[in-house]
Amino acid sequence: DIQMTQSPSTLSASVGGTVTIACRASQSISSWLAWYQQRPGKPPKLLIYTASSLESGVPSRFSGSGSGTQFTLTISSLQPDDFATYYCQQYDSLITFGQGTRLEIK
Amino acid sequence: QLQLQESGPGLVKPSETLSLTCSVSGGSISGSKYYWGWIRQPPGKGLEWIGSIYYSGSAYYNPSLKSRLTISVDTSGNQFSLKLSSVTAADTAVYYCARAGTSGSRYSWFDPWGQGTLVTVSS
Repeated sequence: DIQMTQSPSTLSASVGGTVTIACRASQSISSWLAWYQQRPGKPPKLLIYTASSLESGVPSRFSGSGSGTQFTLTISSLQPDDFATYYCQQYDSLITFGQGTRLEIK
Repeated sequence: QLQLQESGPGLVKPSETLSLTCSVSGGSISGSKYYWGWIRQPPGKGLEWIGSIYYSGSAYYNPSLKSRLTISVDTSGNQFSLKLSSVTAADTAVYYCARAGTSGSRYSWFDPWGQGTLVTVSS
């Protein structure tokens, strides 16, 4: 099975700032990676697919990059609504999620 | 607009079978040729893919759950279902249904998602 490891597990940042979340796959997954945002009590919301494609309606402050085993999600000009938990998901072989990164307000 | 809604018992006894249904509205399961999936999230924890099914009935399961799992599709009712047998407290979770993001791909991102339903395993 392909394991997905996110870092850090928790991240503190200020409104207006920029953060980067990393996701590492245990083997190459090409660009078959998605990113989600999840707020408490809500289902995950798709942000990015195929590593860097922005889902329709998602602000351009969100961007994804990477291929192979190393991926990043960058959020710039942080807004209050951005403080949530973020998950990566690989879909190269079966489907697995990272353990999540909680973004907190500093 | 495509919408998904999970339904089923919120409480299941240990060793029994958990059964959930996902009703799809705003689109046709058979007409769209997408895979449809189940994902779960234990309280306070991360997401786990359970399995996915095609409109034709072809299903792919998480190997860790495969021996206890059956996912089926009812195209006439525009819904798909999950049955997980011999449940334990470790199966307590919010269960989500979702549609795969790309037509015809058995492994894909998921969008949209249902709101989720909490299933508690307890006597």
